[in-house]
Formats: sequence, C-alpha cells, structure tokens
Amino acid sequence: DARVTQTPRHKVTEMGQEVTMRCQPILGHNTVFWYRQTMMQGLELLAYFRNRAPLDDSGMPKDRFSAEMPDATLATLKIQPSEPRDSAVYFCASGLVDKHNEQFFGPGTRLTVL
Amino acid sequence: QKEVEQDPGPLSVPEGAIVSLNCTYSNSAFQYFMWYRQYSRKGPELLMYTYSSGNKEDGRFTAQVDKSSKYISLFIRDSQPSDSATYLCAISVAGNNRKLIWGLGTSLAVNP
Repeated sequence: DARVTQTPRHKVTEMGQEVTMRCQPILGHNTVFWYRQTMMQGLELLAYFRNRAPLDDSGMPKDRFSAEMPDATLATLKIQPSEPRDSAVYFCASGLVDKHNEQFFGPGTRLTVL
Repeated sequence: QKEVEQDPGPLSVPEGAIVSLNCTYSNSAFQYFMWYRQYSRKGPELLMYTYSSGNKEDGRFTAQVDKSSKYISLFIRDSQPSDSATYLCAISVAGNNRKLIWGLGTSLAVNP
C-alpha cells in the first residue's frame, strides 16, 4: 500500500528553535509539494519540486524557511528560527507531472511553537 | 478577493439528506476542478476531478461545473455518517506547472 510518510507526526518546540520535517514521497512520483494548513488561511503551498528540482517556493517565507530534496526518497522542510505564528499542520504531497491534479497527501506534521 | 471562495460551514445534516457543497472562483482561465475530502487529522484525498464544464457522477457523488457563473458544486446523495469530513475544492489552469488553488474547505457533519 503505497503512501506518503511524514515525520514527526507531532512537534512541540519553543520559539527560536530549529524545526525539521521530513517526507518520503510515494516511490516513482516525480512531484513533491509542501503545504501549510491553518483554520484561517486553509491550505497554502509553500514549495513545489519536480524531479527534485525546486520549481516554486514563492509561498515560503525565505528568511526562515527552506525546503530541499536531497534524493528522490526524501524531502525536508526546515524552519529556523521558529516563531509561534508557524504553528500549523504541515503536509507533504506527491504526485506525477502528467496527473498534476491528483496529489497524494501524507498524514501531516502538527507543529506547535510556544 | 481570494481566487477561490468556499463557505467554511459547518454544515450539519441528517443521514440520508442530499448535501450541496459549493465554491466560486474569479479567474475564467481555470479549467480543472477538483474536490478533495479530508477526514479529521488526516491529509486530503482526491474525491472527484472534472475538466471544463459539465457534470461528473461517481456513485453517490456528483460534481458540477458552471464556467459561465464561475461556480462549482459537489452533491452527495443519501449522505452517510462516514461522509462527515471537510470538503475542499481545488482548481487550476492548464499546463504542466499548474498549481492548485484551494478553497478553505467546508466542514460537513452527517448525523445518524
């Protein structure tokens, strides 16, 4: 049963600390997305990779957020330093370029920054 | 004005009711219209996908697109408690690099 995995599932940290979230996309998928979901803003696209190359990170606060794909099986999202307003659920999703409308989401990382 | 507007609800209906969920959008260039379902504490999953105008049916679910009004709908017939979830509309333009533009989601509770 192929699925996107994300770690950690929950993270509580203090303001100023570094947070790293990891995602393993579905094997064979060539697009990876990072989203942030809050009640007020809904799902916001933070970064988008195609064949491991970053295509769009315009939704990401560049001063504190960074996203990378060191290899095809791992995507990372880092926040440094973290702030209380970063508290949200962060989702990773993967898919195929020619089926762009079907994105397969992981279970999310619930981040709380105190 | 947001590109996609969706009433967040919550919507509460009795089991067996017909449910209508809606989104409006502002950009006439949008051509792909999706409905994702998100259960509590889970990631969204694709429920239905429509290209351009018209209707698409899948079991108890019908997706409808009215491009002239820039209005999309999802109908659920004979709703079940297992349909209780948040329903998000997502739309995009054509092209390989197209991003999905998401609605806020409508929370639906189907009461037995």
